[in-house]
Amino acid sequence: DAKTTQPTSMDCAEGRAANLPCNHSTISGNEYVYWYRQIHSQGPQYIIHGLKNNETNEMASLIITEDRKSSTLILPHATLRDTAVYYCIVRVPGYSSASKIIFGSGTRLSIRP
Amino acid sequence: NAGVMQNPRHLVRRRGQEARLRCSPMKGHSHVYWYRQLPEEGLKFMVYLQKENIIDESGMPKERFSAEFPKEGPSILRIQQVVRGDSAAYFCASSPETTNEKLFFGSGTQLSVL
Repeated sequence: DAKTTQPTSMDCAEGRAANLPCNHSTISGNEYVYWYRQIHSQGPQYIIHGLKNNETNEMASLIITEDRKSSTLILPHATLRDTAVYYCIVRVPGYSSASKIIFGSGTRLSIRP
Repeated sequence: NAGVMQNPRHLVRRRGQEARLRCSPMKGHSHVYWYRQLPEEGLKFMVYLQKENIIDESGMPKERFSAEFPKEGPSILRIQQVVRGDSAAYFCASSPETTNEKLFFGSGTQLSVL
């Protein structure tokens, strides 16, 4: 079972920042927080991941609370192409069965013009 | 460097036939994961393979489904005696030998069973 809780859907105006929350209150010390997204009919796409520090890359920023029980994915300037289902996942990278990604229901993000 | 290649993109089978789905991981990647996505549902883990070994097959149906990742060639997901309920999108992902921090997904194979 997925170990994260996300809102079912959200919407955001184009050009604004999209802030997607995720709760992972049972996260263990060696688990990372990952975000992937799936644009309609395509394969999932990696966005960003982190352990406890905030992270930023060319796609997004990841803010993880100090107690690591929740996080927020920030798309700083949302465009119509960011419309997708966003998945928050916790996993342990490595080469055991624990490293497989378990997808939950995700958040369906709609960007309005 | 080409991404994860899956073929065919679309596969149509009649009930009772066999379906073979192929996944060529990215160059240098030796770990492959298969996922299934039923219509209007989420992605479900099926199996995780390393070259010639099955690491985790906890998501594979007990009958009719099998997967392999030979030393040479692509990973194959095989479904025998397909039924209508097997109609879905099947995605594979790969990760490198040195680290599997990120999984890279292919575009999927859409299987339709008539």
